[in-house]
Amino acid sequence: AQRVTQPEKLLSVFKGAPVELKCNYSYSGSPELFWYVQYSRQRLQLLLRHISRESIKGFTADLNKGETSFHLKKPFAQEEDSAMYYCALSGSSNTGKLIFGQGTTLQVKP
Amino acid sequence: DAGVIQSPRHEVTEMGQEVTLRCKPISGHNSLFWYRQTMMRGLELLIYFNNNVPIDDSGMPEDRFSAKMPNASFSTLKIQPSEPRDSAVYFCASSSRGTLRTQYFGPGTRLTVL
Repeated sequence: AQRVTQPEKLLSVFKGAPVELKCNYSYSGSPELFWYVQYSRQRLQLLLRHISRESIKGFTADLNKGETSFHLKKPFAQEEDSAMYYCALSGSSNTGKLIFGQGTTLQVKP
Repeated sequence: DAGVIQSPRHEVTEMGQEVTLRCKPISGHNSLFWYRQTMMRGLELLIYFNNNVPIDDSGMPEDRFSAKMPNASFSTLKIQPSEPRDSAVYFCASSSRGTLRTQYFGPGTRLTVL
């Protein structure tokens, strides 16, 4: 079964500290992984996708097929990073269906 | 483009009443998704359409929920009769092959059933 697990509902760090938001997935084929972010009072939006191998707002995520993980990392957290983060998986269908994790709220304290 | 548009933004209704949520996807997108977000269950996919055809409605909680997409620029999610446990934020999202399956979300409709 396709599943995305984000084990932490809340992650609280101080400004300038490193951040790692965990995401593990279950999928038998070759998945496509995404991170979406929802800032307060804003709509959910794409942060990054694994196939792009890019860094957005200082965040990176590497797909580890051996550990079936796609953790989101940032070396130095900023207060404006405070938001809800969702990890999502897309299977091989062409419809673009995404399976979302439960979400992790990141709280960056001053 | 104004992005995905949803209406109403807030809906308060009483148990037993019919509720209709509306969504206008981004022009040119051929896939449309309805999600429900709650504190307990996070973001759940209810149903999605491809080229106006429902592809997978396995996430629809029960027969009280129904969704339609009469044309490429409009979709509705209806709950009849509504119950307090339906209280949640309902999101609509759209995508296309051109967006490499990136989904663009609407602002959501916050539904409260009393």
